[in-house]
Amino acid sequence: DQQVKQNSPSLSVQEGRISILNCDYTNSMFDYFLWYKKYPAEGPTFLISISSIKDKNEDGRFTVFLNKSAKHLSLHIVPSQPGDSAVYFCAAGGSYNTDKLIFGTGTRLQVFP
Amino acid sequence: SQTIHQWPATLVQPVGSPLSLECTVEGTSNPNLYWYRQAAGRGLQLLFYSVGIGQISSEVPQNLSASRPQDRQFILSSKKLLLSDSGFYLCAWKNPLVGNQPQHFGDGTRLSIL
Repeated sequence: DQQVKQNSPSLSVQEGRISILNCDYTNSMFDYFLWYKKYPAEGPTFLISISSIKDKNEDGRFTVFLNKSAKHLSLHIVPSQPGDSAVYFCAAGGSYNTDKLIFGTGTRLQVFP
Repeated sequence: SQTIHQWPATLVQPVGSPLSLECTVEGTSNPNLYWYRQAAGRGLQLLFYSVGIGQISSEVPQNLSASRPQDRQFILSSKKLLLSDSGFYLCAWKNPLVGNQPQHFGDGTRLSIL
């Protein structure tokens, strides 16, 4: 049972436009959500997180939106840059066990000139 | 600042051979430590985590084991590797003291079993 789903395996966006990456979850106990970025042959790098008490968190070009009723979160990158080309993973965790993060399968973002 | 080191970066091993992957963290004390595996086309799967020396929690039954002999050292082992053990193994750490905190990953070990 996949508790965290990223249904789009890939996304292609033109430089300067907005990239929107989506993530759905099924477990209503999740209350902490994260996005990681991964380049080939490297470990994931933490990008941004959001707690369930918020519906939006912003850090520079990156904004994460959380819709608890729909059990959906999204990562917006504006403006997209070629260096943003990477695989993006969403992850979810809960206060009941802060050590267990459940990861999605990732979305490969390609930003072209 | 905190850093995490994993080695080796790549490893090719025959079926039935033993395995030892090491991870160390610098610049922090009493971190929570994690081992993940990413199989081809899959997300990251938590294998083990540790909240202190000698304390290991296993998430999935498997051919692997983990140990934490020192505060900032986490080791992933196997006595006899299987073909299904191939994958990308990642170590991570987290500061357990301050609310919700992200886990921070090393650069991983690409393990190929022949």
